[in-house]
Amino acid sequence: EVQLVESGGGLVQPGGSLRLSCAASGFTFSTSWMTWVRQAPGKGLEWVANIKEDGYEKYYVDSVKGRFTISRDNAKNSLYLQMNSLRAEDTAVYYCARGGWSPDYWGQGTLVTVSS
Amino acid sequence: QLVLTQSPSASASLGVSVKLTCTLSSGHSSYAIAWHQQQPEKGPRYLMKVNSDGSHMKGDGIPDRFSGSSSGAERYLTISSLQSEDEADYYCQTWGTGIVVFGGGTKLIVL
Repeated sequence: EVQLVESGGGLVQPGGSLRLSCAASGFTFSTSWMTWVRQAPGKGLEWVANIKEDGYEKYYVDSVKGRFTISRDNAKNSLYLQMNSLRAEDTAVYYCARGGWSPDYWGQGTLVTVSS
Repeated sequence: QLVLTQSPSASASLGVSVKLTCTLSSGHSSYAIAWHQQQPEKGPRYLMKVNSDGSHMKGDGIPDRFSGSSSGAERYLTISSLQSEDEADYYCQTWGTGIVVFGGGTKLIVL
């Protein structure tokens, strides 16, 4: 059974940093593109970033370029999202998903709140 | 610019069928899309991928009541024999070079 479990969310002040993690199991992580998607309160889904199997190809939505970094550790079956210079508009539930272009499994999400 | 357009809401009665529409922006009518379901207070769930020729490939465990189709720049999700648990937000999603795009979502209300 494919499982994706996000962690690391919480309350952070504007300008602060947070690192999200996603623990993957039930599939061959090292051969799968992975994706982060977020959902602001009461809003729709927004793609944030994705990363190729080997970690050498990464893409980001314009609004997070230069602030967020997606990475992975295939030995630990884990996906990460390092978020720096956080803004109020980054407040959202962040979902980890399997697949880079058409995600086919999703986690339950972790809430990030950016507020003073 | 790659954009997906969905109606904000739809409603239908228990037991009937409903067809949700997702429209691709001009110049992108050949793109495949994916449909995702998000029930209240839950994470999204992948339903299927729909190609421009109308063929579709469903995700694991998706009931036969869910099907996909296409016509021109429109991609459809049809849910037959509506059940109460089908009340959810439905998002279409596509991708281009280095970008993933979601539609605004359709909130389906089951009467």
